[in-house]
Amino acid sequence: AQTVTQSQPEMSVQEAETVTLSCTYDTSENNYYLFWYKQPPSRQMILVIRQEAYKQQNATENRFSVNFQKAAKSFSLKISDSQLGDTAMYFCAFTETSGSRLTFGEGTQLTVNP
Amino acid sequence: DAGVTQSPTHLIKTRGQHVTLRCSPISGHKSVSWYQQVLGQGPQFIFQYYEKEERGRGNFPDRFSARQFPNYSSELNVNALLLGDSALYLCASSLVRGGNTEAFFGQGTRLTVV
Repeated sequence: AQTVTQSQPEMSVQEAETVTLSCTYDTSENNYYLFWYKQPPSRQMILVIRQEAYKQQNATENRFSVNFQKAAKSFSLKISDSQLGDTAMYFCAFTETSGSRLTFGEGTQLTVNP
Repeated sequence: DAGVTQSPTHLIKTRGQHVTLRCSPISGHKSVSWYQQVLGQGPQFIFQYYEKEERGRGNFPDRFSARQFPNYSSELNVNALLLGDSALYLCASSLVRGGNTEAFFGQGTRLTVV
C-alpha cells in the first residue's frame, strides 16, 4: 500500500520570503503521479502543482516549484515570494498511473505573516 | 462554467440515522470520487465511480455505499451513523480515470453526528 508522510504539521514564513514544505512517500510502483494541493479555510481543495514520476525535470508553476527525488521518494514544495493568500493547509498526494484513488499526507498548515 | 457542487453544505444527524450526500461533477466529467476528511487529517479515499460503475473502494465499512447516475452525478450513503463518521466529505470529479487527469474538488459537506 502506498503511504504519504508530511513531517511538518505547521510552518510559518514572512511575506515575500521563500518556504519549503517536505513530503516523503512509499510505493512499489515505478510510474505514478505526485501532487500538492492547497486547502484554504473555504475548504475547497485546489491543485497547486503536479509531477509525473517518469519525468526527471522538476515541475514549476509560477511561484511554486518542486524538488522531486525519485530514488529517495521525496517530493518537496518550494513557495517563492510568499503571499498572504498562500496561507492554507497544504497536502501532498500520490496516485498510481491508473488513478483510481488519491492517497494524501496529513497536511502542513502554512501561515504567511505580514 | 460551474465547478463541482455538493449538497448540502452542512448537516447534523443523530447516531443510528442514515444520510445521503450529493455531488454534481463538472459538465463532461465522467469520474466521481468521494473522500472523508476528519478534522486535522488528510482526506481518505472512500469510492471512485467511472461511467456509472464502481472502480475503486477504500477501507470503509459496508455502511458506506455510493452510486453514480446516468448524468454522472453521484450520491454517497451512510447507514447507522456513528459519532466517528463526523467529518468533511469531499467529492472530486475528473474527465476520465487516470493519474494524468486533474481532479477538481467541491467545497464539501460538513457532517456532524451527535
